[in-house]
Amino acid sequence: DAGVIQSPRHEVTEMGQEVTLRCKPISGHNSLFWYRQTMMRGLELLIYFNNNVPIDDSGMPEDRFSAKMPNASFSTLKIQPSEPRDSAVYFCASRTGGAYNEQFFGPGTRLTVL
Amino acid sequence: GENVEQHPSTLSVQEGDSAVIKCTYSDSASNYFPWYKQELGKRPQLIIDIRSNVGEKKDQRIAVTLNKTAKHFSLHITETQPEDSAVYFCAAPYRVNDYKLSFGAGTTVTVRA
Repeated sequence: DAGVIQSPRHEVTEMGQEVTLRCKPISGHNSLFWYRQTMMRGLELLIYFNNNVPIDDSGMPEDRFSAKMPNASFSTLKIQPSEPRDSAVYFCASRTGGAYNEQFFGPGTRLTVL
Repeated sequence: GENVEQHPSTLSVQEGDSAVIKCTYSDSASNYFPWYKQELGKRPQLIIDIRSNVGEKKDQRIAVTLNKTAKHFSLHITETQPEDSAVYFCAAPYRVNDYKLSFGAGTTVTVRA
């Protein structure tokens, strides 16, 4: 298995632009998580899906952020409009089974907003 | 929800010595405690986890201990090697049986040759 796949790996954009991050979970995994990692705030959960349904989006910073999971093999995290403070590494993770199974992280997308 | 505190934030050890990282949690009902390792520029990866029905679990040079009374759990790395240099995160479910994890702030471990 290729593991969790994220694209792009690096994104540099200007303030005000729309950014779309993509994730393909491991086949057969039914839970998907979007995290943001910064030096200041550490690893934060933004939103997670179970069986393609958003369960908890309390970590989404504000209305500029949105996430979708149209099917079991694809999810997007969109930021519109982007701001410099959105600069971070965004990880997608997936997992199968019950609450206590391992979360497998993707390689991350390093986002820089100028 | 669960609040996880992790100490120390940085740890420097001589190669071959042991490293210990401690985490405390707030919800006495918490029952699952994973540890993730993140090497520089890489993704977090699970290295060991423990359920609340056991007090200790070992996997080669790493071990995790759990003290439910005191509500803390610790990661122990013995005979440290340069490849153990990384950031280590502890975690616990945000709520019991919740898929969402609360992560500690991380410990940067540096193993000196």
